[in-house]
Amino acid sequence: GAGVSQSPRYKVAKRGQDVALRCDPISGHVSLFWYQQALGQGPEFLTYFQNEAQLDKSGLPSDRFFAERPEGSVSTLKIQRTQQEDSAVYLCASRGTGLSTEAFFGQGTRLTVV
Amino acid sequence: EDQVTQSPEALRLQEGESSSLNCSYTVSGLRGLFWYRQDPGKGPEFLFTLYSAGEEKEKERLKATLTKKESFLHITAPKPEDSATYLCAVQALGSNDYKLSFGAGTTVTVRA
Repeated sequence: GAGVSQSPRYKVAKRGQDVALRCDPISGHVSLFWYQQALGQGPEFLTYFQNEAQLDKSGLPSDRFFAERPEGSVSTLKIQRTQQEDSAVYLCASRGTGLSTEAFFGQGTRLTVV
Repeated sequence: EDQVTQSPEALRLQEGESSSLNCSYTVSGLRGLFWYRQDPGKGPEFLFTLYSAGEEKEKERLKATLTKKESFLHITAPKPEDSATYLCAVQALGSNDYKLSFGAGTTVTVRA
């Protein structure tokens, strides 16, 4: 597709449930990012992939968070044993070559943990 | 650590009433400063990238400027469709130069 696609758009999970969030980046984009956005705040960096390699996962809040991009295209963010504080919008972004080129964001997945 | 502070938090304007949004930043070295627009329930939409002090960019009613410590987003004669949250982000020089550090945003409401 023309843009970054994320699914599902909305996810309601019971506390303790595992969830998986999917991101389809723009075709050919080498760099892929996951950000977390709390209500009324700006996005916060979670993790960064260059092709299939996860080069930075320093922003992942805990070891319950795991991200992968096995073939260098689609990425999945998995959250195990969800907690209420995980409720947020999870944004995926991709970027072409060049360090200063802009990142394009998907519409996000709104996760609500009840 | 990189810091980005946006002000005001919210701005209510009458249609046609020009105003400016501020983005103050602290970064060891700036690779780029980005402005994004975010509509409710959607992801951020890219507007501008600024690289060096003195640089200016324009798009329709929006104009972004950059100094060594801050950036301004000027909205000239706004229309209701300019209502959105405007996010500022910095990309720093160095080993972590791939990530964006965002401010909390300024929510702009333009009344007809």
